[in-house]
Amino acid sequence: DAKTTQPPSMDCAEGRAANLPCNHSTISGNEYVYWYRQIHSQGPQYIIHGLKNNETNEMASLIITEDRKSSTLILPHATLRDTAVYYCIVRDPGNNRLAFGKGNQVVVIP
Amino acid sequence: DTGVSQNPRHKITKRGQNVTFRCDPISEHNRLYWYRQTLGQGPEFLTYFQNEAQLEKSRLLSDRFSAERPKGSFSTLEIQRTEQGDSAMYLCASSLSGGRRDEQYFGPGTRLTVT
Repeated sequence: DAKTTQPPSMDCAEGRAANLPCNHSTISGNEYVYWYRQIHSQGPQYIIHGLKNNETNEMASLIITEDRKSSTLILPHATLRDTAVYYCIVRDPGNNRLAFGKGNQVVVIP
Repeated sequence: DTGVSQNPRHKITKRGQNVTFRCDPISEHNRLYWYRQTLGQGPEFLTYFQNEAQLEKSRLLSDRFSAERPKGSFSTLEIQRTEQGDSAMYLCASSLSGGRRDEQYFGPGTRLTVT
């Protein structure tokens, strides 16, 4: 079962930063926060993951609150190609399955 | 293109028929996963292999479903006596154990329609 809560949908303006929230209030100490996205008619794509420190890569930044009960995925300059369903997932490293919820349908508007 | 391929991409079958899907993972990946995704939902885990051993199965994987990975490379997922409720996208993913990101790479999926 998914252990995260995300808004069902949101719109973002092209060229602006997109901030995607996720609540995971029951996260345990060894669970990581993973983000994947799924563009229409494609398989999910890994974006980023973190444990407690903020992380940044070529796709996005992940900000995790100090109490680890929530996080924000930041797409620094949203493009139309970023329109997708974004999934926030908490996962124990010893657990091989990814528990996807319904995700957040993000639409980037020109 | 993630390097994970799935065939066929689309399959239409009549209720009661058997179907088989194939997944070719990234060649050096020793882990392979199957997920199922219905309309409007996120993918749901079905089963997982490490090399040729099937190590985990979801309760979603009924007796009509069987998955194999005979040589630790490609995998097949067979559904016997298909039902309309089996209509879904079947996704395959692979990963490398011990990889720094422990990232699962997904294929494009096989869309099954049972009529």
